[in-house]
Amino acid sequence: AQSVAQPEDQVNVAEGNPLTVKCTYSVSGNPYLFWYVQYPNRGLQFLLKYITGDNLVKGSYGFEAEFNKSQTSFHLKKPSALVSDSALYFCAVRAPSGAGSYQLTFGKGTKLSVIP
Amino acid sequence: NAGVTQTPKFQVLKTGQSMTLQCAQDMNHNSMYWYRQDPGMGLRLIYYSASEGTTDKGEVPNGYNVSRLNKREFSLRLESAAPSQTSVYFCASSAREVRAEAFFGQGTRLTVV
Repeated sequence: AQSVAQPEDQVNVAEGNPLTVKCTYSVSGNPYLFWYVQYPNRGLQFLLKYITGDNLVKGSYGFEAEFNKSQTSFHLKKPSALVSDSALYFCAVRAPSGAGSYQLTFGKGTKLSVIP
Repeated sequence: NAGVTQTPKFQVLKTGQSMTLQCAQDMNHNSMYWYRQDPGMGLRLIYYSASEGTTDKGEVPNGYNVSRLNKREFSLRLESAAPSQTSVYFCASSAREVRAEAFFGQGTRLTVV
C-alpha cells in the first residue's frame, strides 16, 4: 500500500524568507510524486510533479521540490515566501494499484502561513 | 475550457435522505475520482474509475455508490445520508498514465443534519 506523510500540520514563515513544506512517502516501485495547493473554498491546484530525472523539480509560482530517494522525501521549497503563498499544501503519490489503475494518495496537508 | 465541473456546490440533507453528486470533465480523461476532505484528515479516496465501465473502491467507500455514466461523467450517490458524511466532496480526473496529474473540481460542501 502507498502512503504519504506530512509531518507538520502548520508552517509559519516570515515574508521574504525561504520556506520548506515537508513530505515523505512509502510506495512499492518507482514513485510518482505531486504537490498541490488549495486556497480557501477552492479545489486543489497542481503545482509540480516528479516523474524521473533531475531531483530538483521546478513548478508554478516559483515553487520547487527536491526528491531524495534514500530518504523517501519530496520537500516543497520556495526561496522567498509571499503573503499570497498562504494556503493549504498537499503532497501526493501515485503508483500502480493493480489492473492498470493508478490511485492518487494524499497526505493530510500542511497549512502554510506567511507573516507580513 | 471548464475542466472539472461539480454540482451542486452546497447541499444540506436530513439524515436518511438520498442524493447524487454530479461530476463532469471535458478533458477527455480516462480516470476519474471522488474524494472527501475533512479537517485534519486530508483527502481520502472514496471511489475511482480507471476507465469508462470500471469502478473500484478507495479508502472510505462505505455508504456511497458510484456510476461512471460515460467517459465524461462520474456520479457519487449517498443512499441514506448520515451526519458522518458531512464533508467537502471533490471530484477529480486525470489521464490514465501513472505520471499524469489530476485536475480537481471546486467541491461540494455537504451538511447532513
